[in-house]
Amino acid sequence: KNEVEQSPQNLTAQEGEFITINCSYSVGISALHWLQQHPGGGIVSLFMLSSGKKKHGRLIATINIQEKHSSLHITASHPRDSAVYTCAVRLGSSNTGKLIFGQGTTLQVKP
Amino acid sequence: SQTIHQWPATLVQPVGSPLSLECTVEGTSNPNLYWYRQAAGRGLQLLFYSVGIGQISSEVPQNLSASRPQDRQFILSSKKLLLSDSGFYLCACYRGTNYGYTFGSGTRLTVV
Repeated sequence: KNEVEQSPQNLTAQEGEFITINCSYSVGISALHWLQQHPGGGIVSLFMLSSGKKKHGRLIATINIQEKHSSLHITASHPRDSAVYTCAVRLGSSNTGKLIFGQGTTLQVKP
Repeated sequence: SQTIHQWPATLVQPVGSPLSLECTVEGTSNPNLYWYRQAAGRGLQLLFYSVGIGQISSEVPQNLSASRPQDRQFILSSKKLLLSDSGFYLCACYRGTNYGYTFGSGTRLTVV
C-alpha cells in the first residue's frame, strides 16, 4: 500500500461542476502540498497545508491531521482546470525536505 | 524567487547508451535538491537528494547516479540505459518552510 493515496485517479466533469479530489496518507507529516500540472507544462505548487483550510480563487484545500486526510476542491470548474493534480507530503521526521507523492488525479473538464 | 532549469524536455535514447540530465537552480543558494522519477501509472518516487555540494543520498538501488558539482547544479547520469529507465524525471529544489518547493519542468525519457 502506498504511503500517499489519491482518489479518484481519473475524473471527468462538466463545466461548472464542483470537484473534489481526495488524498489520504499513512505517515506523520509536517506539511502537505497540492500540485498542478497542465498538459505539456511544468509542476506548479497550489497549496502548502499543515492544518485547517486555504483558499485561492476557485480552489480550496483542506486538511484533517487527525484523520490523515486532505481534499482539494474546485468550485465552478472550467476547461482550463483540466490538469493532473497531485498531493505530496513532507515527512514530519525528515529534515531533508523530501516529499512522498500520490499517484496523481487526471482531471478533464468538458465545456 | 527560485527558478529551476531542467533540460531536455523529451529524450529518446537507445538501450545501452549513456544519459546525462542537468538541472540548474537560480535565485537561491545552498538549496536541497532532488531527483524524482515517475514510472507509468505510479506516483513520483525519490531517486536522489543532495543537501550540499558533493553530498548525494540515494533512496533506491538502480542503474542511475547523481552528482552535484556546484551548489546550484544537479546532474542525473547513467552509463548504460535500460528499458526500465523510461519515465518522467523531475528535479526539485527546497529552501526551507519560508520558500517551499520549486519544481523543474521535467524530462520525459523513452528508452528504446
